[in-house]
Amino acid sequence: EIVLTQSPGTLSLSPGERATLSCRASQSVSRTYLAWYQQKPGQAPRLLIYGASSRATGIPDRFSGSGSGTDFTLNISRLEPEDFAVYYCQQYGSSPRTFGQGTKVEIK
Amino acid sequence: QVQLVQSGSELKKPGASVKVSCKASGYTFYAINWVRQAPGQGLEWMGWINTNTGNPTYAQGFTGRFVFSFDTSVSTAYLQISSLKAEDTAVYYCARGYNGDYYFDYWGQGTLVTVSS
Repeated sequence: EIVLTQSPGTLSLSPGERATLSCRASQSVSRTYLAWYQQKPGQAPRLLIYGASSRATGIPDRFSGSGSGTDFTLNISRLEPEDFAVYYCQQYGSSPRTFGQGTKVEIK
Repeated sequence: QVQLVQSGSELKKPGASVKVSCKASGYTFYAINWVRQAPGQGLEWMGWINTNTGNPTYAQGFTGRFVFSFDTSVSTAYLQISSLKAEDTAVYYCARGYNGDYYFDYWGQGTLVTVSS
């Protein structure tokens, strides 16, 4: 099973700042099969990125993903008030599908 | 538009069973995945069901007491959990899986199952 470790656990930033979230895999994720989700309190997760760098339908271009192998990054170029949430990475390169433990982006 | 609508919250006693439903509409579906989120915790993939063949795949840790099913006549997936334990208390999400169980592009709103005596 691939273990995904996200860092930092919490990121305290102000609106307008750039957020950089990391997701590290315990072994290589084949074919960059990595996705990112956003989850707000009381809501279901929302798909942001798949294939490590492809934005899902309707996702603003301030969200971008990159990486390959074992190291992946989600960047939010300029934080909007609605971006403060928990973010999860998920790999689908091998079974079982696994999620990281999440990074909370909170208002500083 | 694609929609997954889940059944409402459940309160069950230990040892009982529960059946969560997930009605799909708005697309030609192929796979429904199930994801668990314990209170204050992260996301855990439980497995998926091929809605064309009815074939389920269970992640380790979700075999035995967990059963996925799909009723094509009402386009509804079901998650049944038997012999409930306190540690089954969680929000259970259904989600459409791209190409089966790749990534999850549409999600139900979640169903809270509380197991308490």
